[in-house]
Parts: sequence; structure tokens; C-alpha cells
Amino acid sequence: ETGVTQTPRHLVMGMTNKKSLKCEQHLGHNAMYWYKQSAKKPLELMFVYSLEERVENNSVPSRFSPECPNSSHLFLHLHTLQPEDSALYLCASSPPGTSGANVLTFGAGSRLTVL
Amino acid sequence: LAKTTQPISMDSYEGQEVNITCSHNNIATNDYITWYQQFPSQGPRFIIQGYKTKVTNEVASLFIPADRKSSTLSLPRVSLSDTAVYYCLAFYSNYQLIWGAGTKLIIKP
Repeated sequence: ETGVTQTPRHLVMGMTNKKSLKCEQHLGHNAMYWYKQSAKKPLELMFVYSLEERVENNSVPSRFSPECPNSSHLFLHLHTLQPEDSALYLCASSPPGTSGANVLTFGAGSRLTVL
Repeated sequence: LAKTTQPISMDSYEGQEVNITCSHNNIATNDYITWYQQFPSQGPRFIIQGYKTKVTNEVASLFIPADRKSSTLSLPRVSLSDTAVYYCLAFYSNYQLIWGAGTKLIIKP
């Protein structure tokens, strides 16, 4: 248990479904991240929230919609996904400070399969 | 162009020292290089972080030359449980964290 909890761990959805991934941390961190991990590719940063404000959006398609209601919770809302969106979605958090921005604590991930 | 490059895979044997090198040109001058370990069905886990020269903790050492264009993760006396994917992460600008593609390390008995 890392202190970053992701639910659900596994999700199968059709292309017309709407679902959400949830991430929760109680480590006192003030930045939270969504990453996409596909086989044989580097981790792809999707979104960054710092102090509940989005500071990074790496040209992610609009079918992925993040939400950060407070510093402990992060959501990724999914709708009309494509099969190529099937991947492991990782949530991470980091403490305040510049060097601290590198020290990420990850959840175990949500394995998403789009049919 | 910011890019972090590391070998795709490596093999070694129990009890050996393993060194994994990562290349990271043009990283930010004031920020750290970080290494993570990932087991199947888990998220990456922080191993070690350094800025320059050498850093050592209870699990690994990290060597960074003066030009900071590369870094080497050193795992002393590996065991079977060190079989994992190891990622190098460099900080190129504000929130531009560039990950390597990962090195799959396989430890054999």
C-alpha cells in the first residue's frame, strides 16, 4: 500500500459507455497526476493538478476529462473511448517543492479495456 | 528535443552488481534525476534521486557525471526479487517530466 489508492483496479467498457476512474491520497501531497501506460512505451503524462488547479494538459483528447475537487482526490472521466485507449492508467501524487516534484508516489493503476 | 533513453532489457545473475545507464540531454540545470522500479500489476516505486556525483541509499547507488547528460543506477548484489522494470526520469522544465521507456531487468538464479 503506497498511500495512493485507485479504483477500480480493472474496468472493461464499450466505446459508448461513460465511466470514471478515482484516485485518493492522504499523504499531504499537493500535486496529483494522471499517467497512461501502454505496453512498450514510456509513461505518458496526461494531466497535472497543483493545489487543485490544472497546470498541465498534454494534448489529451477531450474524451478524457479530469476533475480535482480537492487536494486528496482526483478523477478521470471517460466517455466514447476508442480501443487504442486501452491501457493502465496510473495516478500519482507528489509533495510541495521543486525537487519534490520529481518524487512521485503512484497508485497501483486502473487497467482499462475498451471493447 | 528532450528525450530520456535507456536500454530496453538486461539480464544478470543473483549476487552480481547491475548497472543501468540512462541518457538525458538538456535536462534542467537545477533539478534531479530520479529512478523508479515497477513490478507487474503495480505502479512505479521511487528508488533513488540525485543531482550530481554519487548518491547511495539502502537499496541502490546513483552515479551522475559532471555534465549530467547521463546517470547510472547501480544495484549491488541483486536477487531474484529485483526482477522488474526500471525507469529513469529527468526533469526538463516546469512539470516536463520525461520518462525513459524502461529497462526490463531479469535476474537469473
